[in-house]
Amino acid sequence: DTAVSQTPKYLVTQMGNDKSIKCEQNLGHDTMYWYKQDSKKFLKIMFSYNNKELIINETVPNRFSPKSPDKAHLNLHINSLELGDSAVYFCASSPQPGQGTGKQYFGPGTRLTVT
Amino acid sequence: TQLLEQSPQFLSIQEGENLTVYCNSSSVFSSLQWYRQEPGEGPVLLVTVVTGGEVKKLKRLTFQFGDARKDSSLHITAAQPGDTGLYLCAGGRNDYKLSFGAGTTVTVRA
Repeated sequence: DTAVSQTPKYLVTQMGNDKSIKCEQNLGHDTMYWYKQDSKKFLKIMFSYNNKELIINETVPNRFSPKSPDKAHLNLHINSLELGDSAVYFCASSPQPGQGTGKQYFGPGTRLTVT
Repeated sequence: TQLLEQSPQFLSIQEGENLTVYCNSSSVFSSLQWYRQEPGEGPVLLVTVVTGGEVKKLKRLTFQFGDARKDSSLHITAAQPGDTGLYLCAGGRNDYKLSFGAGTTVTVRA
């Protein structure tokens, strides 16, 4: 059974377009995250939601907007895509914010390529 | 600015050799996690250490958390090709965030 799933797996689009990535977890976790992994494999947190409430909002352009319709879903919408947005985006979940100790379960990633 | 520095960035060894990956910071963490990521997949947690000086063993993998909770190491004994992957350390503090290192790419040649 898939724990954390993301769609699509690959996304190729042109500059200026708007796109969304969807994430679902069936683990019953309260907390979900979006991370960006750049070409150098550096994984950086973007957002986190706990029980549908935004608890982490890193310095991310406001073209990126997360939405959590319920605890099991956290979607990421990106407006006016730029070349620099090309990266692999990972969704993750954890049982609780865990104060930094909670195990995070990652999805398989969405490779976004902006041309 | 990265909070966690990993070294080396790349490591290529022959099957059967030992290797050590380091994760260092000037910050104190409440916990330190190690993940392994394989191509095309998300990171998978290997271990969490929370106590300064703690040592945990997972088969051929040994993880150590520094006494001051600022650094950690991962040692693999008798590496196998299946150990190939990107190893990431991540530090947790009393907020909701994990700060990841840039990773060490390990290649074990058969």
